[in-house]
Amino acid sequence: GQQVMQIPQYQHVQEGEDFTTYCNSSTTLSNIQWYKQRPGGHPVFLIQLVKSGEVKKQERLTFQFGEAKKNSSLHITATQTTDVGTYFCAGSLGYNTDKLIFGTGTRLQVFP
Amino acid sequence: DAGVIQSPRHEVTEMGQEVTLRCKPISGHDYLFWYRQTMMRGLELLIYFNNNVPIDDSGMPEDRFSAKMPNASFSTLKIQPSEPRDSAVYFCAIMGGAGANVLTFGAGSRLTVL
Repeated sequence: GQQVMQIPQYQHVQEGEDFTTYCNSSTTLSNIQWYKQRPGGHPVFLIQLVKSGEVKKQERLTFQFGEAKKNSSLHITATQTTDVGTYFCAGSLGYNTDKLIFGTGTRLQVFP
Repeated sequence: DAGVIQSPRHEVTEMGQEVTLRCKPISGHDYLFWYRQTMMRGLELLIYFNNNVPIDDSGMPEDRFSAKMPNASFSTLKIQPSEPRDSAVYFCAIMGGAGANVLTFGAGSRLTVL
């Protein structure tokens, strides 16, 4: 079946350092979404990427969708303690997707 | 997020007991999903509905699990009988309407089976 893996599983950084999580799918995706889950909370939508090679930015966050639409990355510049949480990618095979498969997640801890 | 209300927020029960988790979508939607989250297996899709009709239940682990959606404003996930390995956080999420194909999650129901 379709699998979506993320690396690293955990990342501890000092506040101000950069952070990157990578998402890899075993199959080509029609789109990819990113979610953030704060400790004890629920996943919250961050962004969606649809086009091959697409890059989007949200303040200190940069999201990229690979050319082959099988991988994606999330980069955070100059992390802050508010960035703490688990970041999930989620991909789908169909347009107007009715089924999102979540990645394994990357847990980010930021030390002040 | 007021889009999805889940209850109970926490439940502790003994092995063998029946557990019913509830989900009430507040905002408009076309799809409703049940996910389970554990440390070992991450976020797993259990089942999802489109316009109240179950579309894919291939993620439901065993016959002990069942889900219903009698109308657009209510869904249940039932486990009977429950087992310790069912301990997890169960999330209900909606998609569609104004949110297009973005998932809006409820706060989750944390289940502990002793």
